[in-house]
Amino acid sequence: QVQLHQWGAGLLKPSETLSLTCEVSSGSFIGYYWNWIRQPPGKGLEWIGEINHSGSTNYNPSLNSRVTISIDTSKNQFSLKLRSATAADTAVYYCARAPIDTASHFDNWGQGALVTVSS
Amino acid sequence: QSRLTQPPSVSAAPGQKVTISCSGSSSNIGDNSVSWYQQLSGAAPKLLIYDNNKRPSGIPDRFSGSKSGTSATLGITGFQTGDEADYYCGTWDTSLSASWVFGGGTKLTVL
Repeated sequence: QVQLHQWGAGLLKPSETLSLTCEVSSGSFIGYYWNWIRQPPGKGLEWIGEINHSGSTNYNPSLNSRVTISIDTSKNQFSLKLRSATAADTAVYYCARAPIDTASHFDNWGQGALVTVSS
Repeated sequence: QSRLTQPPSVSAAPGQKVTISCSGSSSNIGDNSVSWYQQLSGAAPKLLIYDNNKRPSGIPDRFSGSKSGTSATLGITGFQTGDEADYYCGTWDTSLSASWVFGGGTKLTVL
């Protein structure tokens, strides 16, 4: 059973860059899209973007100008960077896997990492 | 505002059948498969239903999904107190700015 474990800085000041990494234990990177999804406190889910094993990305248009998702297949890791953070970026951030043939669902999720943006 | 509309809350008594609706448009539900996620308090979301009506291994057949036109429905038979959770629908939206979208979520509680 694949497991996704994520980590990163939990507290940022406004204008700093949010940075998170997700490590995939067991299983292959090939055949999946690797995603970031966030959930502000008390609110719903928002998709941030995805990357496949060859580095091809898709981003939420509302975040496109500030987001970069990268992948390191040698370490079974993919990462999120969100520039110019504001209080509105305070959320629990999840990494999640989607089968590449359909990209129709997220079948495995990380445990989530709370990131707070505050001065 | 979410492109997919769910009722904010639904309540049910143990043993009842529950349905949660998810309404969208031709650019999302009308053109793509729908998935459903269960989020227990303090936990990460968990896949319940994918490709409109398929259940992953380990999900009991009390949970079902259906889609018609631009709407989808999650059904739960024999509601249990352990089913109290937030439920989200999701799908791709292939309008001008293609993006994955989620419904606003439905909080399911025991009556």
